[in-house]
Amino acid sequence: EDKVVQSPLSLVVHEGDTVTLNCSYEVTNFRSLLWYKQEKKAPTFLFMLTSSGIEKKSGRLSSILDKKELFSILNITATQTGDSAVYLCAVEAVYTGNQFYFGTGTSLTVIP
Amino acid sequence: NAGVMQNPRHLVRRRGQEARLRCSPMKGHSHVYWYRQLPEEGLKFMVYLQKENIIDESGMPKERFSAEFPKEGPSILRIQQVVRGDSAAYFCASSPDVGYGYTFGSGTRLTVV
Repeated sequence: EDKVVQSPLSLVVHEGDTVTLNCSYEVTNFRSLLWYKQEKKAPTFLFMLTSSGIEKKSGRLSSILDKKELFSILNITATQTGDSAVYLCAVEAVYTGNQFYFGTGTSLTVIP
Repeated sequence: NAGVMQNPRHLVRRRGQEARLRCSPMKGHSHVYWYRQLPEEGLKFMVYLQKENIIDESGMPKERFSAEFPKEGPSILRIQQVVRGDSAAYFCASSPDVGYGYTFGSGTRLTVV
């Protein structure tokens, strides 16, 4: 059964801390892994990863994929209160069409 | 708990036909959200419903799209007279109340030929 598991489920840190969020997956016919920041109504797209070992970076956020060990990490450095959100990981698989499998998310709270 | 169930997983429609996408929320969840994912664009909010009520449809196209969440049964996203540009993955999420996290379904892939 295809699945995506995120850890930890929740995390509370102080401003300025660095956090690492984990996403492991068991998905056949893997195509890509996506990270979203979920706030209010609509998740915000962060990264799409398709190749192992290539870090993607956007400001204080970065992410990398390991297709051998079947996981990805999302790093946030120098956290700010605006980083407080649920971070979702999703894996895209290719069957007759494309299927997406979502993790349940990691809830991050950044305390001033 | 079976989670959020969406069906069908894949739907192929010819231009001009109607598409009906179904979403059964998790047990105990009365809030349903629909999203559309276009290639390389991430998830776009479409509509937020509670039982029998549309709370926020600010992301819904003005024509051809409608959504409902009846007292009994699943939430339905209906697209009339589909066009090629409607081809996308449509996701449903549910939550027990405002301020709680969402649980996503696996999506319905709509292909318009």
